[in-house]
Amino acid sequence: SSELTQDPAVSVALGQTVRITCQGDSLRSYYASWYQQKTGQAPALVIYGKNDRPSGIPDRFSGSTSGNTASLTITGAQAEDEADYYCNSRDSSGNHVVFGGGTKLTVL
Amino acid sequence: QVQLQESGPGLVKPSETLSLTCTVSGGSISSYYWSWIRQPPGKGLEWIGYIYYSGSTNYNPSLKSRVTISVDTSKTQFSLKLTSVTAADTAVYYCARDAVELATVEEYYYYMDVWGKGTTVTVSS
Repeated sequence: SSELTQDPAVSVALGQTVRITCQGDSLRSYYASWYQQKTGQAPALVIYGKNDRPSGIPDRFSGSTSGNTASLTITGAQAEDEADYYCNSRDSSGNHVVFGGGTKLTVL
Repeated sequence: QVQLQESGPGLVKPSETLSLTCTVSGGSISSYYWSWIRQPPGKGLEWIGYIYYSGSTNYNPSLKSRVTISVDTSKTQFSLKLTSVTAADTAVYYCARDAVELATVEEYYYYMDVWGKGTTVTVSS
C-alpha cells in the first residue's frame, strides 16, 4: 500500500503528553518524517529518521516506529504546539513520496 | 541558511498550464532532491513530484500525465508545469528541499527540511 493513515483530530491538556500516529505498510521499510503546520504557514520539519530533531525543535518532540506505525510524541504539550501534523515517507517502491492525511492537534 | 521562494501567476484559466518556479538561495542546488507539494483549501498535503539536481524525476502517479518538473542549476531554480488545469488544481503550492541522508549502512533517512512559504494558485475563468 502507498497510503499513510492518521487520526483526523487529537486533543491534549496543557502540559500533558500526546501521541500522534501514522500507519502504513511503507513504514516497515522507511522511516516517517513529521511536519508541523500552523494556520497560514508552511509546514516545518519537526522529526525525521529514527528520532532526529532539526536544530531549534524542542526536545519535547520525539519520534518512534513499531511495525507499520510511526508515532510523534509531545511530552508536556504547550499552547504553541496546537497545529496540524503530517507524516510522510517514501512509498513501498521507494520512488514516490506519500503524506498522511494530517492530524489536527488541539491543546486544551 | 538555504531559503526557497515560489513565484508564478496566482490565477490560471481552466484547461491552461500552471507554471511555477522555485528559487533556491543561500545554498547549493546540487546533491539534493527538490519537491513540489500542494495543499487545496482546507485539505491536506499532496506530493506532486521531485527532481534530482542532475535532472532525474519522479512524479505522483495520479498527476504524472500532466506534470513536468525541470531544473536550471545555473540559476539555482527548479520549475513545475501542470497542464490542463481544472478547479481541482486550486491550491497553495509549496517547493521543498527533499533530503536523503545515509544514516547507517543501508539505512536512509528521507525528509523535507526546507520549505518555501507557498504560493496560492487559483484556477478560474
